[in-house]
Amino acid sequence: DQQVKQNSPSLSVQEGRISILNCDYTNSMFDYFLWYKKYPAEGPTFLISISSIKDKNEDGRFTVFLNKSAKHLSLHIVPSQPGDSAVYFCAAPDHSGGGADGLTFGKGTHLIIQP
Amino acid sequence: DGGITQSPKYLFRKEGQNVTLSCEQNLNHDAMYWYRQDPGQGLRLIYYSQIVNDFQKGDIAEGYSVSREKKESFPLTVTSAQKNPTAFYLCASSIGQGMTGYTFGSGTRLTVV
Repeated sequence: DQQVKQNSPSLSVQEGRISILNCDYTNSMFDYFLWYKKYPAEGPTFLISISSIKDKNEDGRFTVFLNKSAKHLSLHIVPSQPGDSAVYFCAAPDHSGGGADGLTFGKGTHLIIQP
Repeated sequence: DGGITQSPKYLFRKEGQNVTLSCEQNLNHDAMYWYRQDPGQGLRLIYYSQIVNDFQKGDIAEGYSVSREKKESFPLTVTSAQKNPTAFYLCASSIGQGMTGYTFGSGTRLTVV
């Protein structure tokens, strides 16, 4: 049973526009969420995170929104740039121990920025 | 500079052979992890270790083994019992408390020929 779901395998956005990547989760015990960016044949790199005590976290062009009642979070990238083309993973720590037991990942969304 | 080093980048193995993937970190992190990525799939946890000389099975541990004799090292052995070993393997480490500093290596692509 998938606890973190990214239902869009791919997303195509025009350069300069907003990219919105969605993530849903089923485990109400999750209290922290992370977004990772991954290029082919490389390890994921941390992008942005959000704690469940917040509903928004912003870092430059990247903003993550959390709707706890809907068990839904989204990553907004504004404006989208060609270098943003990558696979984006949503993840949550497995246990309240802060992730020392590992992360649960969604299947990822391949974002393609078109010129 | 501190980081995680995985070697080799690409690895080929004949069916029926065991192979060991290396993961070394100099971040002084207590916890280390192995994940596997398949096309169209997220990262799935194979094994993790929160402290030296201790490790736990993740979601897909069958056909794999690990050791944690040193804080810096967490090698993964893919055994002949692993039915579908061709995949991209990622090692990660973290401080172990909270999510600060959760860092991934650059991965090893294992292909069974």
